[in-house]
Amino acid sequence: DADVTQTPRNRITKTGKRIMLECSQTKGHDRMYWYRQDPGLGLRLIYYSFDVKDINKGEISDGYSVSRQAQAKFSLSLESAIPNQTALYFCATNSGGTNTGELFFGEGSRLTVL
Amino acid sequence: GENVEQHPSTLSVQEGDSAVIKCTYSDSASNYFPWYKQELGKRPQLIIDIRSNVGEKKDQRIAVTLNKTAKHFSLHITETQPEDSAVYFCAAKRYSSASKIIFGSGTRLSIRP
Repeated sequence: DADVTQTPRNRITKTGKRIMLECSQTKGHDRMYWYRQDPGLGLRLIYYSFDVKDINKGEISDGYSVSRQAQAKFSLSLESAIPNQTALYFCATNSGGTNTGELFFGEGSRLTVL
Repeated sequence: GENVEQHPSTLSVQEGDSAVIKCTYSDSASNYFPWYKQELGKRPQLIIDIRSNVGEKKDQRIAVTLNKTAKHFSLHITETQPEDSAVYFCAAKRYSSASKIIFGSGTRLSIRP
């Protein structure tokens, strides 16, 4: 089945370390997103990309960067992790060919920053 | 900016009873309203959506209603079952391929046996 895959699924790191979360998809979608989930705060958009040459900031981009290496790959980096970046991170994709655009999520990457 | 408020944050109902989750949105240009369900330890998945040209949509035990004048929309689950226990997110979007989806803060629904 076509899917959205995230690695790593769990990561514990220390303050100040550089972390990269990777996302790949086999759905053939052109659009990819990174969301952060915190209890009581829902899903907040960090960055999104509508195609390989397109990168856009979301609601909470400070402290994060992204790279769209190919249509199927979108990685999220924390250059210098801090404890309040501890969260569950989701990659998502959808097709630009529809106006509604159902999001398909990966299984999530749980990051803990000590 | 665009904002979606969701209430309540937690909801506990007796199995077999109905559950209602309510959302309001700020962007009057929003005209597409999806609902996602996230079971414990799983990824969010779309369960139902509604467009602004429709006031209500049903799918088996789930229904969504929309009041564009008041900028309110709601999810109704009837005859609740244990498998309905999950976190539910409402969202709003302009009906345009270039716009982003804005999510509410989520409702944790628990079904009591």
